[in-house]
Amino acid sequence: DTGVSQNPRHKITKRGQNVTFRCDPISEHNRLYWYRQTLGQGPEFLTYFQNEAQLEKSRLLSDRFSAERPKGSFSTLEIQRTEQGDSAMYLCASSNSGTTKAFFGQGTRLTVV
Amino acid sequence: ILNVEQSPQSLHVQEGDSTNFTCSFPSSNFYALHWYRWETAKSPEALFVMTLNGDEKKKGRISATLNTKEGYSYLYIKGSQPEDSATYLCAFCQSGGSNYKLTFGKGTLLTVNP
Repeated sequence: DTGVSQNPRHKITKRGQNVTFRCDPISEHNRLYWYRQTLGQGPEFLTYFQNEAQLEKSRLLSDRFSAERPKGSFSTLEIQRTEQGDSAMYLCASSNSGTTKAFFGQGTRLTVV
Repeated sequence: ILNVEQSPQSLHVQEGDSTNFTCSFPSSNFYALHWYRWETAKSPEALFVMTLNGDEKKKGRISATLNTKEGYSYLYIKGSQPEDSATYLCAFCQSGGSNYKLTFGKGTLLTVNP
């Protein structure tokens, strides 16, 4: 399967712990995005990479959140000192330059208890 | 803050019924409008990307129209089947330097009863 892959699919963590999610985009895609969906809302943009460069971060992304995309391949999203409000579905997507059509992974559902 | 609204929030139909949903978005600085279908435990799947006023797209029993001047798009499903049950999301892209960014509505949850 050459789609976007996210791991883990589910994560339950205690408040205050750090968590890290991984996204493997479609291999030929140079753009990678993270979105977050909370209950009752549509997905909200978090951050965008073009190759290895992080070009935009949403104000939703507090200092506890950091994302990387070393070598322009897979990406990681880390949340430090998790809070209950971080509970959400975290979606990763990728695309090529020149198109807005994004291909999404299945997401990582985070539950902070 | 961009406002993308979808209605209805949820919809129950019987197998064989035809149905439609609405997405409204800002009528200025339009770049693209996307429709996604998101089934439980799966990835959101792109249905259509629409860029021109008056665009009509069709994929099997599903079609969509676009009016950028008044800021709305309709998604139609003809002869609904249980496998059409999903959340349908629309997403707006604004022209400018961040035209890659999708601003989503809250979605329409469709349930098709056999």
